[in-house]
Amino acid sequence: QVHLVESGGGVVQPGRSLRLSCAASGFTFSAYAMYWVRQAPGKGLEWVALLSNDGTDKYYADSVKGRFSISRDNSKNTLFLQMDSLRAEDTAVYYCAKDGDCSGGRCSPNFFHYWGQGTLVTVSS
Amino acid sequence: QSALTQPASVSGSPGQSITISCTGTSSDVGGYIYVSWYQQHPGKAPKLMIYEVSNRPSGVPDRFSGSKSGNTASLTISGLQAEDEADYYCSSYSSTSTRVFGAGTKVTVL
Repeated sequence: QVHLVESGGGVVQPGRSLRLSCAASGFTFSAYAMYWVRQAPGKGLEWVALLSNDGTDKYYADSVKGRFSISRDNSKNTLFLQMDSLRAEDTAVYYCAKDGDCSGGRCSPNFFHYWGQGTLVTVSS
Repeated sequence: QSALTQPASVSGSPGQSITISCTGTSSDVGGYIYVSWYQQHPGKAPKLMIYEVSNRPSGVPDRFSGSKSGNTASLTISGLQAEDEADYYCSSYSSTSTRVFGAGTKVTVL
């Protein structure tokens, strides 16, 4: 059973940094790309970042490019999001999600297959 | 990276069918099969309902179906049930290898 558990959220002042983690289990972590998606209070979903299965290809939303960095440790089945120069508008629940699925010898990519429960980041002075 | 366009709300009575639209451009929805839909109940994480335009993951009832025509994708819920009341989001792969979500549609069961 796929299980994703985010941690590291909390209250942080504007301009400071925070590092989120996502512990994965129940699937071959190193075989799948992974995402971060966020949701501001009362708002919709916003894609934040994508990291390929081997950690070589990274993509970011324009709203976080240059401030956030996605990475992973396949030996520890863990995904990370380093968030620097935080702003009030970064306040949101941050979800990690597994990309796509492989079954019966066929892989289907480019959708958010399983999600964690989320971790809340509040940027406030 | 502009959000896909969804109606803010859709409602229907139990047993009825409703359709939620999701309009993008030829650089996202219209250009790829990678359109997916997610259901989110209040305070919960999103749940995958449809992937690759019309494929249902195991465990999703067959009254949920997806389709696409040009730059607009659609999610149809047939035989609407009380537990279907939730927010629904579409998402698409984009030509820049990024991903984009719709703004979300609140489904109300009357």
